[in-house]
Amino acid sequence: DTEVTQTPKHLVMGMTNKKSLKCEQHMGHRAMYWYKQKAKKPPELMFVYSYEKLSINESVPSRFSPECPNSSLLNLHLHALQPEDSALYLCASSQSQGTDTSGANVLTFGAGSRLTVL
Amino acid sequence: AQKITQTQPGMFVQEKEAVTLDCTYDTSDPSYGLFWYKQPSSGEMIFLIYQGSYDQQNATEGRYSLNFQKARKSANLVISASQLGDSAMYFCAMRATDSWGKLQFGAGTQVVVTP
Repeated sequence: DTEVTQTPKHLVMGMTNKKSLKCEQHMGHRAMYWYKQKAKKPPELMFVYSYEKLSINESVPSRFSPECPNSSLLNLHLHALQPEDSALYLCASSQSQGTDTSGANVLTFGAGSRLTVL
Repeated sequence: AQKITQTQPGMFVQEKEAVTLDCTYDTSDPSYGLFWYKQPSSGEMIFLIYQGSYDQQNATEGRYSLNFQKARKSANLVISASQLGDSAMYFCAMRATDSWGKLQFGAGTQVVVTP
């Protein structure tokens, strides 16, 4: 069983819709991440939250809006998306974001939300 | 800048055979961690094994072992006794001290295990 839970597993939306992806972890991790993954490609980092504050935004278009309501939850709000935004969106968490490169600070990923924009 | 290279786009391996997945990396940071993840067709990224830059011994986790050659900057994954369930995409990744949490992924290697 994955310890990072993502909902929904599948989402189909039109370009004018507003939807949200949700991610939850109960491991006490203080860093949470959103990644975007296109088919047959590696994941690409979008956002990092550290202690519930946005730490990294990898120049993501404003039609993607992250939110971290508390230390266990991470949302990704979607609005006015384009068909090229169709992808697998992965959430991950780790003990901390910073300089700890040890195996204790491994990123744990959720199963992903597969998004299709029509 | 950091870089992870996986030169094998895809591999076929027979059940019960061992397979080696190549990974080379480049970083000027003396402190870094190397990770291997497995991604089945379902999409979930599953952590397999970790190797720290200061670790003296190669990491092992069950059927997975990491052949770490620091001077050559390589961190190859060895899967012993392949099983049909090992069919998946495998990603090598690196996290360095100066990367502030960013996990840099290689392009991945698609492994297909045949009966």
